[in-house]
Amino acid sequence: DIQMTQSPSTLSASVGDRVSITCRASQSINSWLGWYQQKPGKAPNLLIYKASILESGVPSRFSGSGSGTEFTLTISSLHPDDFAIYYCQQYTSSPWTFGPGTKVEIK
Amino acid sequence: QAQVVESGGGVVQPGRSLRLSCEVSGFAFDTYGMHWVRQAPGRGLEGVATISYDGHNKYYANSVKGRFTISRDNSRNTLYLEMKSLGIEDTAIYYCVREWDPVPVWGQGTTVTVSS
Repeated sequence: DIQMTQSPSTLSASVGDRVSITCRASQSINSWLGWYQQKPGKAPNLLIYKASILESGVPSRFSGSGSGTEFTLTISSLHPDDFAIYYCQQYTSSPWTFGPGTKVEIK
Repeated sequence: QAQVVESGGGVVQPGRSLRLSCEVSGFAFDTYGMHWVRQAPGRGLEGVATISYDGHNKYYANSVKGRFTISRDNSRNTLYLEMKSLGIEDTAIYYCVREWDPVPVWGQGTTVTVSS
């Protein structure tokens, strides 16, 4: 199975900050990577697919980049609604595998 | 509008079995691979099982291999997850997810609690 890692595990930031989360795959997944946001008690909400395509309805302050084994999710200016946990997921092979998550918390 | 709805969760004793169902609508079920993903309390997401559109190919996470069986009935637009020999570590929310095309479709999940 493809292993996914994320860094940092926790990110403390303030409203208005620019933040980035890194996701790495144990082997090349080309661009078959998605990013999710999850809030307590809710199902994951898709933000980015195919590494860099913004899902419909997602604010443009979210962006994704990368290919192969290294990927980045960037929030250009943190909003109060963005404090949540973020997961990356590879979908090039089954079973799907996810990163362990990055908690974005208020500094 | 594509939709998937899970059911069948509940409280079960260790060692017992449970079957989850996922009814889909709004898309051609028999043309999509399907997945079960779970999330234990306070933990991350884990891909549990995958089945191809025709049911011929199946994949399992090592943590459930030999205990869980994924299946589908394309005539009923329904996906299943048969879970046997359940342990406390299987306590989680189980999500049914349609294959990416170009985006996945997630349900709201059904909760399985394994407890004596």
